[in-house]
Formats: sequence, C-alpha cells, structure tokens
Amino acid sequence: DGGITQSPKYLFRKEGQNVTLSCEQNLNHDAMYWYRQDPGQGLRLIYYSQIVNDFQKGDIAEGYSVSREKKESFPLTVTSAQKNPTAFYLCASTLSWGGTEAFFGQGTRLTVV
Amino acid sequence: GESVGLHLPTLSVQEGDNSIINCAYSNSASDYFIWYKQESGKGPQFIIDIRSNMDKRQGQRVTVLLNKTVKHLSLQIAATQPGDSAVYFCAENTGNQFYFGTGTSLTVIP
Repeated sequence: DGGITQSPKYLFRKEGQNVTLSCEQNLNHDAMYWYRQDPGQGLRLIYYSQIVNDFQKGDIAEGYSVSREKKESFPLTVTSAQKNPTAFYLCASTLSWGGTEAFFGQGTRLTVV
Repeated sequence: GESVGLHLPTLSVQEGDNSIINCAYSNSASDYFIWYKQESGKGPQFIIDIRSNMDKRQGQRVTVLLNKTVKHLSLQIAATQPGDSAVYFCAENTGNQFYFGTGTSLTVIP
C-alpha cells in the first residue's frame, strides 16, 4: 500500500539536543511538507519541498532544518534553537506543488524533557 | 463554525442524527477545498474535496457545500456513528499552498 510513514511515533528530547524526525513516502509525490500542530491551532507550515534537492521555509521555520536528497524522503531536524519544540509534527505530500489532495503521515509527538 | 486561529469548537450529536460542521475561509482566491478527519494521536485523513466551480459534492454519508459568496464551507455527515467522533478541519488551497482551519471536535453520543 502506498502512503507516508513517519517515525518515531513518540520522541523525547533533552534540552539542547537536536533530534531528527523521519518522513518517507512511496506515492511518487514531488512535493512534501512539514507541519506543526499545537492544541487549538490549525496546522502551521514549517518547511516545504516542491521537488527533490529543493526546499523552502514555511511560516515557522526558525529552529528547524530539512533536507531533500531523495524524492521519497524529507527528514526534519528540530534544533536546540527551537525554544518550544513540544508539539505534534505532521508530514504530508502532494503529487505536485500546488497539487490537490494532501496525504498525511501518522505524526510524531515530540516532547522536551 | 471554525476559522483559522479560533478556539476549537465542539459539537455533540446523538448517534443516528445528522451532523453539520462549518468552516469560514478567508482567501477568495482559494479554488480547492478539502475536509479532513483527525482522530486523537493520528494524522489527518481525507474525507471529501470540492473545487470552486462546484457548490455541492456528495460522498458516502458525507456532503460538502461551498458558498463562495460568503466564503463558507460545510460538511454534513448523515446518520452519525460513534466512529465518526474526531476532530474535523477544512483546508483551502490557493493553488500555491494549503491553509488549515483549527478544527471542530465532534462527539457522538451513543
């Protein structure tokens, strides 16, 4: 079955640590996205990639970094510069940039301990 | 109804009743709209979509209505079941980027 896989499901980070969230898709989609979800708020765009080897900052990119070396993979690193990283992180993809239906992964819940 | 940035509204319905969830969108240039269902601790699942050249679209037990004049979108769920309990949110696409609403929490009372 095609889809998006995020791992791990739960992640704990100590103060000052960098952590990387994995996102893999086998849908052959060109565009991939990272969103952050906080209680009572809509999804906020962190980074997006329109095509392999390209990525752009979203609305809340500070303290995060990404790479897109392969079409199917779009890992997100939460750096120590992100002051409030505890949140639910969602990865999504669309067939093309500006495309229609966005497919989501099952999310990673990151908690700072 | 929901709108970007507002507190999460809630809706409780009896099992078997119809549910109506509303969404106000802001960008008149948006030409594509999606409703998603999100269960606790899981990623959003696609329910139904509609393009701006339509005002109504039906799926299995769900109907989406689009009123472009007042920039309003609604999701109707027929014969609501306990498995429908979740957060529902709308998304608008300008052809460039998605913008997501905050969601409405639906609770189905058995």
